[in-house]
Amino acid sequence: EAQVTQNPRYLITVTGKKLTVTCSQNMNHEYMSWYRQDPGLGLRQIYYSMNVEATDKGDVPEGYKVSRKEKRNFPLILESPSPNQTSLYFCASSLIPDSYEQYFGPGTRLTVT
Amino acid sequence: GQQVMQIPQYQHVQEGEDFTTYCNSSTTLSNIQWYKQRPGGHPVFLIQLVKSGEVKKQKRLTFQFGEAKKNSSLHITATQTTDVGTYFCAGPYDMRFGAGTRLTVKP
Repeated sequence: EAQVTQNPRYLITVTGKKLTVTCSQNMNHEYMSWYRQDPGLGLRQIYYSMNVEATDKGDVPEGYKVSRKEKRNFPLILESPSPNQTSLYFCASSLIPDSYEQYFGPGTRLTVT
Repeated sequence: GQQVMQIPQYQHVQEGEDFTTYCNSSTTLSNIQWYKQRPGGHPVFLIQLVKSGEVKKQKRLTFQFGEAKKNSSLHITATQTTDVGTYFCAGPYDMRFGAGTRLTVKP
């Protein structure tokens, strides 16, 4: 089954404790991206990747890191989480950007206390 | 970068009423996509519009792309409770999403 998986689905952590949210797709998609969703603000892009070893900042990259060492994986790293990073996070992938639909993962709800 | 503005932010309708959400851009869009997110779910692709003036239908849903390719709309005829959710438009180039329109339907 074609899908995007994220782990964990829910996470409660404390300020400053490094964490990684994994994202994996099995569709051989080139393009992957991370979004955060906050009430009233819609989906804001954090980082995106056009292909392996090619990542770039989205609209709200501060406090986040990503890597794309393999085509299928695109982890999101929070080196020192802060309460303002409490949000719902979605990973997405598409065959190529712009012209093809994005497939979204189920989401990761992160709470930073 | 490109921004797409979406209105209204919320819409509450009685079941059977029609619903429309609008998406506007200050620049010409090469294409626009629409997504639906059910409560507690993730965004799911509905459709992509590419051509100027394009109109596409999916059962009770009608999607339009403006002649100038700067605006788009999604119209739902005779809403049902299954239409509940948030509808997003997304422009190209880093796939910037509108803020979404949250639709609630009263049975």
